[in-house]
Amino acid sequence: ILNVEQSPQSLHVQEGDSTNFTCSFPSSNFYALHWYRWETAKSPEALFVMTLNGDEKKKGRISATLNTKEGYSYLYIKGSQPEDSATYLCAFSNQFYFGTGTSLTVIP
Amino acid sequence: DVKVTQSSRYLVKRTGEKVFLECVQDMDHENMFWYRQDPGLGLRLIYFSYDVKMKEKGDIPEGYSVSREKKERFSLILESASTNQTSMYLCASSSGVLISEAFFGQGTRLTVV
Repeated sequence: ILNVEQSPQSLHVQEGDSTNFTCSFPSSNFYALHWYRWETAKSPEALFVMTLNGDEKKKGRISATLNTKEGYSYLYIKGSQPEDSATYLCAFSNQFYFGTGTSLTVIP
Repeated sequence: DVKVTQSSRYLVKRTGEKVFLECVQDMDHENMFWYRQDPGLGLRLIYFSYDVKMKEKGDIPEGYSVSREKKERFSLILESASTNQTSMYLCASSSGVLISEAFFGQGTRLTVV
């Protein structure tokens, strides 16, 4: 069992605030790191896949960075909106190992 | 539009029943996965399959078995359902490329009474 940890477990922010959360993973045998967004009553959807140390990805107000040497990835949301409320999951390697997720609630 | 379909959204079964959860994908993906999701525990891998008739145990295979007779279909079987198997079950598929994203079904909320 590989240890993939996410922090914080949950987060409440005000609309317009920027926020970030962390995914920690083993730094050995790295293939890829995925971020998914899981909205209530929907299926998880892929946000990013990152493979190289130093990778940065961006999609609108959401961005992610990757440090494979120290085994962590950050997800940033700029100017949070209520529609960003969801659980954000990271997955290490080829989908096998998911973190416990960060539940984000954006308060209007 | 890519699609992973799970046979039921909600299921209620009795303790001791044999339960089948079906998952079908239309993307010709090699890999298919079954996860369960419980509060505070994230997605935990039960079984995965990388080809027809091939299966590998995940982190929590006890009490479950799987079947993959056709590439598009991956079934999760609870041999004798117990109350601690009450959970949300998610099926996913991905192509054989290591960095490819996974596509998920809508989930099956199983309650064992």
